[in-house]
Amino acid sequence: AAGVIQSPRHLIKEKRETATLKCYPIPRHDTVYWYQQGPGQDPQFLISFYEKMQSDKGSIPDRFSAQQFSDYHSELNMSSLELGDSALYFCASSIRGSGKNTEAFFGQGTRLTVV
Amino acid sequence: SQKIEQNSEALNIQEGKTATLTCNYTNYSPAYLQWYRQDPGRGPVFLLLIRENEKEKRKERLKVTFDTTLKQSLFHITASQPADSATYLCALDPAEYSGAGSYQLTFGKGTKLSVIP
Repeated sequence: AAGVIQSPRHLIKEKRETATLKCYPIPRHDTVYWYQQGPGQDPQFLISFYEKMQSDKGSIPDRFSAQQFSDYHSELNMSSLELGDSALYFCASSIRGSGKNTEAFFGQGTRLTVV
Repeated sequence: SQKIEQNSEALNIQEGKTATLTCNYTNYSPAYLQWYRQDPGRGPVFLLLIRENEKEKRKERLKVTFDTTLKQSLFHITASQPADSATYLCALDPAEYSGAGSYQLTFGKGTKLSVIP
């Protein structure tokens, strides 16, 4: 079965550079989420989209932005990168409709290292 | 403030025993709670979801309980195996009722379970 696909798997950037992370949700899933997980930390919610519209916002810095495209893939854009942005970034997708509380399926993550 | 706490950062258990992990929350009234497994460097994998009107849920060797009075969920792995070694995360949606507009899972910090052969 198809899973959530994230690219790239690894990314090394210098301070003040820009990074773009991509996420391809499971087909027919209507909700996409982005999480940031620092070393030894729990995943922190950044932002979510429902049917291509921004749904909720968590602890996402102003330097970050995200969008979901017509084909449902999503991109997380990170500018003016700081050393503290080094983390694993996970994308997840789920089916939210009809009030069903189904589980979230996570991708393998993108490991971003800022040097 | 809202908090999700998992009882310990690490839990070591002998193979074959039952592992019990605890998740406590404060200042939430979740409609449901989820448990995930995470292996190093990989994304969390969904295990079980339990709703507020369910006291207990089982899946193979896994059992989850949910006590909304105590604001606590217990996660049990019976007949534990070394392959069960991983970090287990509890998660809940801050929305107070199912079907609410928001959907942003909030995770606890996780408990790292090590099953010793």
